[in-house]
Amino acid sequence: DSGVTQTPKHLITATGQRVTLRCSPRSGDLSVYWYQQSLDQGLQFLIHYYNGEERAKGNILERFSAQQFPDLHSELNLSSLELGDSALYFCASSAGQGAWSFFGQGTRLTVV
Amino acid sequence: AQTVTQSQPEMSVQEAETVTLSCTYDTSESDYYLFWYKQPPSRQMILVIRQEAYKQQNATENRFSVNFQKAAKSFSLKISDSQLGDAAMYFCGTIQGAQKLVFGQGTRLTINP
Repeated sequence: DSGVTQTPKHLITATGQRVTLRCSPRSGDLSVYWYQQSLDQGLQFLIHYYNGEERAKGNILERFSAQQFPDLHSELNLSSLELGDSALYFCASSAGQGAWSFFGQGTRLTVV
Repeated sequence: AQTVTQSQPEMSVQEAETVTLSCTYDTSESDYYLFWYKQPPSRQMILVIRQEAYKQQNATENRFSVNFQKAAKSFSLKISDSQLGDAAMYFCGTIQGAQKLVFGQGTRLTINP
């Protein structure tokens, strides 16, 4: 158990819909990262938050947004979903620069 | 931009043998960190080992060790006494300035009994 909790584990939704993925980092970790992994692909960095502030953006679509709340949990919002958005979405947390990044178990999103 | 290259899409090794997975990276930073993650069929991302760029000594975690060649920007992973449970996708990654963790495309490791 990495200590990072992601909910839900699985999500099936229709095209055009909106979903919210939730991540609770390890106790004390201030950094939260979101990644997307499509089938048999590597991990693509989406966005990084540190203590409530956005620190870096990767290849995140405009239809996607994220935030980190005062209690440090984070949510990734995906809207106007397309078939190609089907993927495994990972959240990872770390204490800070160079620290170990621990991953949650991921949310498997299927868009039908 | 940071890039990480894993030139071996697939590798296989006999159980109890040693295997080395290759990774090269590109960076203009003097201070950075390198990681290897393992992703078994469960798809969980498991941290295997990490290396601080300023340290010359190669990191070791039990049967896992790295060969860090800073000048060549190379960071290979050696797995000794391979076990069936080592079968997984292995991703090399680098992080700079607490911004983002950039991964290579992965190497699928098969362990032959």
